[in-house]
Amino acid sequence: DTEVTQTPKHLVMGMTNKKSLKCEQHMGHRAMYWYKQKAKKPPELMFVYSYEKLSINESVPSRFSPECPNSSLLNLHLHALQPEDSALYLCASSLGLSNEKLFFGSGTQLSVL
Amino acid sequence: AQTVTQSQPEMSVQEAETVTLSCTYDTSESNYYLFWYKQPPSRQMILVIRQEAYKQQNATENRFSVNFQKAAKSFSLKISDSQLGDTAMYFCAFMIVEGGGGSNYKLTFGKGTLLTVNP
Repeated sequence: DTEVTQTPKHLVMGMTNKKSLKCEQHMGHRAMYWYKQKAKKPPELMFVYSYEKLSINESVPSRFSPECPNSSLLNLHLHALQPEDSALYLCASSLGLSNEKLFFGSGTQLSVL
Repeated sequence: AQTVTQSQPEMSVQEAETVTLSCTYDTSESNYYLFWYKQPPSRQMILVIRQEAYKQQNATENRFSVNFQKAAKSFSLKISDSQLGDTAMYFCAFMIVEGGGGSNYKLTFGKGTLLTVNP
């Protein structure tokens, strides 16, 4: 199994809603990543987890709250988002932080109304 | 800081022909990885090819090959026998190798080149 699975594929939410994005991998990878990608732009790193601990937060607003409950699962909790947060949210994983091969999921397309 | 520049926002090619996508980068590091990622309409980022900077030999993966010029800081991607399924956004990316030999996790992407393969 060489897949990174993200759910849901599409999400529409209001600015007062609370929702969560989910990412799962069963490759035994111990580093997991959240990226944000606006239309026609490259992905931008948001968070990095290593061995279920948050290693990197790229100055992301607190309305985005990541969680890594176990080595296979990565969540991104969303609360009080703004319309400018509408984007494709990509999850990725790698064997470890020092391993350069990242495996990406297909993303969640988020629209904030 | 590292920068990656892709000077061709869009390109098109006829099916079965060859196309080359350009990428230049700027860094003061001596050891790093360079990548080409493909993002088709399905949106998944797929690793096409990877080059380690200390290796002089250009990487190849089936129809995909690179021309790595370290002194010129150039890393172009050649796609031979283009297929309709090659239609995608292509991102050139860079990652530093730390002193211990591992990467530093952070991918720096170029702005991408949208490639369309025409029948």
